[in-house]
Amino acid sequence: AQRVTQPEKLLSVFKGAPVELKCNYSYSGSPELFWYVQYSRQRLQLLLRHISRESIKGFTADLNKGETSFHLKKPFAQEEDSAMYYCALRGTDKLIFGTGTRLQVFP
Amino acid sequence: EAGVVQSPRYKIIEKKQPVAFWCNPISGHNTLYWYLQNLGQGPELLIRYENEEAVDDSQLPKDRFSAERLKGVDSTLKIQPAELGDSAVYLCASSRDGQYNEQFFGPGTRLTVL
Repeated sequence: AQRVTQPEKLLSVFKGAPVELKCNYSYSGSPELFWYVQYSRQRLQLLLRHISRESIKGFTADLNKGETSFHLKKPFAQEEDSAMYYCALRGTDKLIFGTGTRLQVFP
Repeated sequence: EAGVVQSPRYKIIEKKQPVAFWCNPISGHNTLYWYLQNLGQGPELLIRYENEEAVDDSQLPKDRFSAERLKGVDSTLKIQPAELGDSAVYLCASSRDGQYNEQFFGPGTRLTVL
């Protein structure tokens, strides 16, 4: 089965605190994983993809095939990071999204 | 660049009525997607077009849903008749030349069926 699991619906932190948004996947092949973000009143957009191995807006995500995870991390959260975050897996023929985690960063 | 354009942004209809959503992709993007996003869920693919050809419509409920992309540019998604359970956000996305390129999403159409 091809599946993406985001166990947390809501994650609340204070500004400056570390953030980790969890994502686990189920896929029998070689996975390609993404994080998408949706800021308030804006459209869904790509944040980063694992093959790029890049840091975007201070966020990084490492693919761990042993744990089938692709957690999104940021060492110091900012208020502007508050948004809905979706983990996605490129399955056999389409993108499969998780249910999303809402990140709230308090001042 | 306007990005992916969708209209209407909001639609409220009574059950059993028909409804149509329109999408204009980014210029030059040959691949167009329609997604369904239920409340509290991530987007789920309904149909993918490569130019005017529907190459993946396996998740489209064909008894009431239909889609077209006649000239390989803009697209229309229709529901007839609508049911209460169709209340959701309908997202359109586009990408260059196939599904392996970055998808750019539109703002979505929020449908409420009463």
